[in-house]
Amino acid sequence: AQSVTQPDIHITVSEGASLELRCNYSYGATPYLFWYVQSPGQGLQLLLKYFSGDTLVQGIKGFEAEFKRSQSSFNLRKPSVHWSDAAEYFCAVGAKGSSNTGKLIFGQGTTLQVKP
Amino acid sequence: DAGVTQSPTHLIKTRGQQVTLRCSPKSGHDTVSWYQQALGQGPQFIFQYYEEEERQRGNFPDRFSGHQFPNYSSELNVNALLLGDSALYLCASSMYRALWLYEQYFGPGTRLTVT
Repeated sequence: AQSVTQPDIHITVSEGASLELRCNYSYGATPYLFWYVQSPGQGLQLLLKYFSGDTLVQGIKGFEAEFKRSQSSFNLRKPSVHWSDAAEYFCAVGAKGSSNTGKLIFGQGTTLQVKP
Repeated sequence: DAGVTQSPTHLIKTRGQQVTLRCSPKSGHDTVSWYQQALGQGPQFIFQYYEEEERQRGNFPDRFSGHQFPNYSSELNVNALLLGDSALYLCASSMYRALWLYEQYFGPGTRLTVT
């Protein structure tokens, strides 16, 4: 079964420091991968997506992610974090197969705290 | 361009009651998916509607049902509410076309509290 693991439940970084949030997936073929951000009391905003091709994906708000098949990972990065980046981040995989088409399977999320 | 909208924002119900949540998709989208997000968890897929039919379903009991209207808006109904149904219910819209189906845009959610 397809699954997503976000190993870090909570991460704290200083404003201006670099950020990397980890995501590991379980899937046999090339996955569809996504990162979403959720601010307190809000819905999810799509940061970036990977379907195929270039393994380094650029997203909104200065975020990027790199697909590494050998490590089954899709880590999210940002070179310099701003206080407004404090939020919950979710990695998701798009399920495939006739009974799963269109489903997104989410990890448990990583809470990012930004220190001034 | 309006994004995905949901109503109501918050709802408090008693165990055993029934609830209906509503969603209007983003302009140009024809597919609506519903997710349940329990506190401290990632969203879990409930079901997906396209052309007024349920196309996919997650691991949720039959107490959870839905509907899609000709204008693509959708409702989520939950019968015989349990305390464990307390969660944020998220609606997501997309286009029922190849990879676009997976590019889902979420609404702000409806916070349901069951007492």
